[in-house]
Amino acid sequence: EAQLVESGGGLVPPGGSLRVSCTASGFQFSSYAMNWVRQAPGKGLEWVSYISRRSSAKLYAESVKGRFTITRDDAENSVVLQMDSLRAEDTAVYYCARARGEYVLDFWGQGTLVTVSA
Amino acid sequence: DIQMTQSPSSLSASVGDRVTITCRASQGVFNSLAWYQQKPGKAPKLLVYDGSRLESGVPSRFSGSGSGTDYSLTISSLQPEDFATYYCQQYYRSRTFGQGTKVEIK
Repeated sequence: EAQLVESGGGLVPPGGSLRVSCTASGFQFSSYAMNWVRQAPGKGLEWVSYISRRSSAKLYAESVKGRFTITRDDAENSVVLQMDSLRAEDTAVYYCARARGEYVLDFWGQGTLVTVSA
Repeated sequence: DIQMTQSPSSLSASVGDRVTITCRASQGVFNSLAWYQQKPGKAPKLLVYDGSRLESGVPSRFSGSGSGTDYSLTISSLQPEDFATYYCQQYYRSRTFGQGTKVEIK
């Protein structure tokens, strides 16, 4: 059974850094592109970042470009979002999501909460 | 960036009602559109992709349609488990979600 488990969320002060990870199991991780999507408390979904198979392409939302970096390790079946220069508006539940055919988010993890506050 | 506008933002309906949610893109997305369902405290679930293709395991009362800039998700007969928030998402150019439509019990 496919599974995505996020970890690494927590409380960080404004301007700080945090690294959230997503570990996959139950499917051939290297065959899928991966995404991060976030949801601020009581708000809607916001796509954050994408990484293709073999890391050949990476995309970022304008709101995080230059501050967040997505990477993947196919040997470890994991995708990581490194978040720097964090702001209060980055507070959200961060979900990792598998992309079938590069685009369709067909399977999601349960999310990890990131809180940016002094 | 392509902006996605859903309407309505919320609606109240009864079990058995036919419900339609619309999504308008700021430019054509050529059927590169998906619909997701999210229940409180849970991760989103894929319902429809490529504008009208039903995801495996999703009940046939859900259907998607549209073209160009205008798309819709229809629930033919609302069931108790369908009360949730629904999001459209384009993947024609980068990825963008609509703001969501909350379907509540009347």
